[in-house]
Amino acid sequence: KAGVTQTPRYLIKTRGQQVTLSCSPISGHRSVSWYQQTPGQGLQFLFEYFSETQRNKGNFPGRFSGRQFSNSRSEMNVSTLELGDSALYLCASSLIPGSETQYFGPGTRLLVL
Amino acid sequence: AQKITQTQPGMFVQEKEAVTLDCTYDTSDQSYGLFWYKQPSSGEMIFLIYQGSYDEQNATEGRYSLNFQKARKSANLVISASQLGDSAMYFCAMREGIQGAQKLVFGQGTRLTINP
Repeated sequence: KAGVTQTPRYLIKTRGQQVTLSCSPISGHRSVSWYQQTPGQGLQFLFEYFSETQRNKGNFPGRFSGRQFSNSRSEMNVSTLELGDSALYLCASSLIPGSETQYFGPGTRLLVL
Repeated sequence: AQKITQTQPGMFVQEKEAVTLDCTYDTSDQSYGLFWYKQPSSGEMIFLIYQGSYDEQNATEGRYSLNFQKARKSANLVISASQLGDSAMYFCAMREGIQGAQKLVFGQGTRLTINP
């Protein structure tokens, strides 16, 4: 069974631009969560989706948004990029919310210049 | 306040030795889950082991075991017979008891280096 896939793997953008990251969960998994990882702040929860609904959101500004499609694939969007948005963005999938395991993808490394 | 504390920023261990990575947590919920993940330099978070707050037995997965001491609020990861491939960052994480929640709160991690 294929694991969680994230595209693109690497991205370079400039301040003020916007970016869309994609996550395809493991087949059959319907819950997707997103995390941001930076050297300074560590791993921080962004949001969680299940059945195309956002169930939980972390403490991030409104520039960060996401959605989930009917096939459980998810996208996150960051508008008006700032230098501090440079990070590794990780997506995790699980069968349903509250599952005992969450499997992460390889992440998307975003560099904002 | 830190919900997950990993007090060892770095650890150096000889190959084939056992290693214990410390994790303490803070929660007022009765129902919660504790996770350990391994993150190699490639960046992918690899799930290692899970312990539920109501599980009476310590979780084990191959060479990994979780030393769960509920009263002390600790969930240490034990790796037996360490291998060179175990060198990586290790993160402890907690999911609190909101019904069906998926949000994980992570510690700052421990960088483990296995020496040959």
